[in-house]
Amino acid sequence: AQSVSQHNHHVILSEAASLELGCNYSYGGTVNLFWYVQYPGQHLQLLLKYFSGDPLVKGIKGFEAEFIKSKFSFNLRKPSVQWSDTAEYFCAVNPLFSGGYNKLIFGAGTRLAVHP
Amino acid sequence: ETGVTQSPTHLIKTRGQQVTLRCSSQSGHNTVSWYQQALGQGPQFIFQYYREEENGRGNFPPRFSGLQFPNYSSELNVNALELDDSALYLCASSSGRAQETQYFGPGTRLLVL
Repeated sequence: AQSVSQHNHHVILSEAASLELGCNYSYGGTVNLFWYVQYPGQHLQLLLKYFSGDPLVKGIKGFEAEFIKSKFSFNLRKPSVQWSDTAEYFCAVNPLFSGGYNKLIFGAGTRLAVHP
Repeated sequence: ETGVTQSPTHLIKTRGQQVTLRCSSQSGHNTVSWYQQALGQGPQFIFQYYREEENGRGNFPPRFSGLQFPNYSSELNVNALELDDSALYLCASSSGRAQETQYFGPGTRLLVL
């Protein structure tokens, strides 16, 4: 069965620290990849996405992610976090197959707390 | 541009009852997907509606059903509620049924007692 693993359930950082959140998926075919963020009291918002092309994608608020096909990974990075980055981060995969429908498989999420 | 909206925001039901949740898709979007997010977990795909028909389904029993209307809004119906159905139900819309990005609404939090 297809699945998505996020390595860290809780991460605590100080402002200006660098961030890397791991995401691995299990599916051998073509995928679209996403990172969504949920700020406290808000709904899920798209942070960035990868469909094809350059495996290093840039998103909003200084976030970027790198797709490494050989490792089935799509890790999220930010060089310097801010207190306002405190949120829950979800990695999601859309496995493209002949069924032709848009099904996102989510990881369990990583709660990030950034201290001033 | 209006985003995805859902109603109600919160709902309390008892075991065995039936519930209907509603979703209005983002302007210009013709596809709606529903997800269940239990506490501490990521969202799980329930099903997708495209042009008023169920287009794909996750691992949920038949008591989870839905509808999509000509204006692309959608309903999620759950019959014979169980305690484990307590969760946040998310609706997402997209401009197509396959590869397009999904945009999420705020969700309906359902508590089954």
